[in-house]
Amino acid sequence: KAGVTQTPRYLIKTRGQQVTLSCSPISGHRSVSWYQQTPGQGLQFLFEYFSETQRNKGNFPGRFSGRQFSNSRSEMNVSTLELGDSALYLCASSSPSLGQGAKNIQYFGAGTRLSVL
Amino acid sequence: DQQVKQNSPSLSVQEGRISILNCDYTNSMFDYFLWYKKYPAEGPTFLISISSIKDKNEDGRFTVFLNKSAKHLSLHIVPSQPGDSAVYFCAASETSGGSNYKLTFGKGTLLTVNP
Repeated sequence: KAGVTQTPRYLIKTRGQQVTLSCSPISGHRSVSWYQQTPGQGLQFLFEYFSETQRNKGNFPGRFSGRQFSNSRSEMNVSTLELGDSALYLCASSSPSLGQGAKNIQYFGAGTRLSVL
Repeated sequence: DQQVKQNSPSLSVQEGRISILNCDYTNSMFDYFLWYKKYPAEGPTFLISISSIKDKNEDGRFTVFLNKSAKHLSLHIVPSQPGDSAVYFCAASETSGGSNYKLTFGKGTLLTVNP
């Protein structure tokens, strides 16, 4: 099976611009989560989509948004970019089960490195 | 409020010896724990996981131990190899609350295995 694919791998933007990142999950996986990794804050949860619905959102401003398509591919968008948005954005897919003790192994893509100048 | 903590930013061991990476958590609702390995410019790679109904899980050279009363888990790598040199992340999730899709990560431990 192909892994999680994120495009583009690198992006350079300037303050005030907006950006869209793309993620194709592992075939058959319907859950897609997004994380931001920075040196200071580590890996932080942005949001998760399942069956085209956002189920939860992390503690990020409304400039960060996302969506999921019927084929489970997902995009995230950051509007009005700030210098502090420079980070590695990671997408992960999983096929979660429910209930206590259920496994939720998330498989990550290589990430998109966003630099805001 | 950091709910998952990896207090050692780095660890250096000799090839062939045991590497022990530690992780503490504060949220008693966490009941599923994972370890990931990350190389620079790559995404985290899943290594091993453990459910709170167990206290030990092994997979080859990797063993994870969970001490629920102490809210502590550890990853043992035996024997350590130079290719194990990477950043290791501990992550936790709540499965019973229906929010098992969200992983909370520690800040990572850089493991260096010296030949």
